[in-house]
Amino acid sequence: DSGVTQTPKHLITATGQRVTLRCSPRSGDLSVYWYQQSLDQGLQFLIQYYNGEERAKGNILERFSAQQFPDLHSELNLSSLELGDSALYFCASSVEEGGTQYFGPGTRLTVL
Amino acid sequence: AQSVTQPDIHITVSEGASLELRCNYSYGATPYLFWYVQSPGQGLQLLLKYFSGDTLVQGIKGFEAEFKRSQSSFNLRKPSVHWSDAAEYFCAVGEDQAGTALIFGKGTTLSVSS
Repeated sequence: DSGVTQTPKHLITATGQRVTLRCSPRSGDLSVYWYQQSLDQGLQFLIQYYNGEERAKGNILERFSAQQFPDLHSELNLSSLELGDSALYFCASSVEEGGTQYFGPGTRLTVL
Repeated sequence: AQSVTQPDIHITVSEGASLELRCNYSYGATPYLFWYVQSPGQGLQLLLKYFSGDTLVQGIKGFEAEFKRSQSSFNLRKPSVHWSDAAEYFCAVGEDQAGTALIFGKGTTLSVSS
């Protein structure tokens, strides 16, 4: 158990819908990262927050957004969902920027 | 652009045999390198990491990896594989000097035969 929690574990929804994935980092970690794992693209970095501020963006679609709240938990919002958004979404956290990242168990999103 | 290559998509090893998983990276500066393992239906667990210093790093579960700058490699090894080691293994490099974002290889699936 890495100490990073993600909810829900599984999410099934329809195309065009909007969902929110939640991540609680390890106690004391200030940085949160979001990754997407799909069969065709592999593991890809989406976005990083540090102490509430966005710090880095990767291959994140405009339909996706995220934020980190004062209590340091983070949410990833996915809207106008498409079939291709079906994937495993991981959250990771680290004490500081550039520190070792510890991953949560992931949220499996299925878009029908 | 930075990249990570894991040449072997799938490897089968007999239980008790030694293991080496290959990882090559492309990065301009000194990389931050990691190996993670993912068991079916599970998240990613950190096996070991290299930031600087000794090029042979020890990790959990009896794994080790050696950083070879001249070969741009960071291969993962284990002297004796156990059936419970069957999983998918990912090599990753920190995207910049601060290692802010990780760039992952496509992964190597390890099967262990009895």
